[in-house]
Amino acid sequence: DAGVTQSPTHLIKTRGQQVTLRCSPKSGHDTVSWYQQALGQGPQFIFQYYEEEERQRGNFPDRFSGHQFPNYSSELNVNALLLGDSALYLCASSLGTRDQPQHFGDGTRLSIL
Amino acid sequence: GQQLNQSPQSMFIQEGEDVSMNCTSSSIFNTWLWYKQDPGEGPVLLIALYKAGELTSNGRLTAQFGITRKDSFLNISASIPSDVGIYFCAGLDNYGQNFVFGPGTRLSVLP
Repeated sequence: DAGVTQSPTHLIKTRGQQVTLRCSPKSGHDTVSWYQQALGQGPQFIFQYYEEEERQRGNFPDRFSGHQFPNYSSELNVNALLLGDSALYLCASSLGTRDQPQHFGDGTRLSIL
Repeated sequence: GQQLNQSPQSMFIQEGEDVSMNCTSSSIFNTWLWYKQDPGEGPVLLIALYKAGELTSNGRLTAQFGITRKDSFLNISASIPSDVGIYFCAGLDNYGQNFVFGPGTRLSVLP
């Protein structure tokens, strides 16, 4: 039973570039949430996708966008990268109903130079 | 927005000791989760709590959902070296749509 998988594991970009991160949810899960975790802090909610639509969004600018595909996998896109975007980006999946626990992948470590 | 506070921020204990950590908020949360994160990995779910007053165990771990719905605690009994890591609490937000995470408690276990 595959858990949440994310790719790539590490990524280095420069300011102004664009990046796409990918996530495959745990088998049987249909909801994907994305989080940003800065060093030494807890995860901060970016947005959540359900039925291929953004269901809720945290306090992140429009440079952060996403997509969910019919197979429930998801992408996180970040445009015009800033140094402050350097962080661990975590994907979490869950099943439909909103109070279900979220299961996390190991994240993508994004470094901006 | 809703925020969670965790205490202590970090703690050092001897192997075999019991550990207690707290999560508090000024807002009511309807679901509480406890996660553990090891370096280079994503958070791993330890315990989920759904009802005020609920007490749930998972092996050496015990967590409780506070009666006021504004707090939760996690206890670890007879700590072992692999308990080392960062423990996060998370509460389901007001809209019932997503989880707010605390800043974490860093646990170190001395042999």
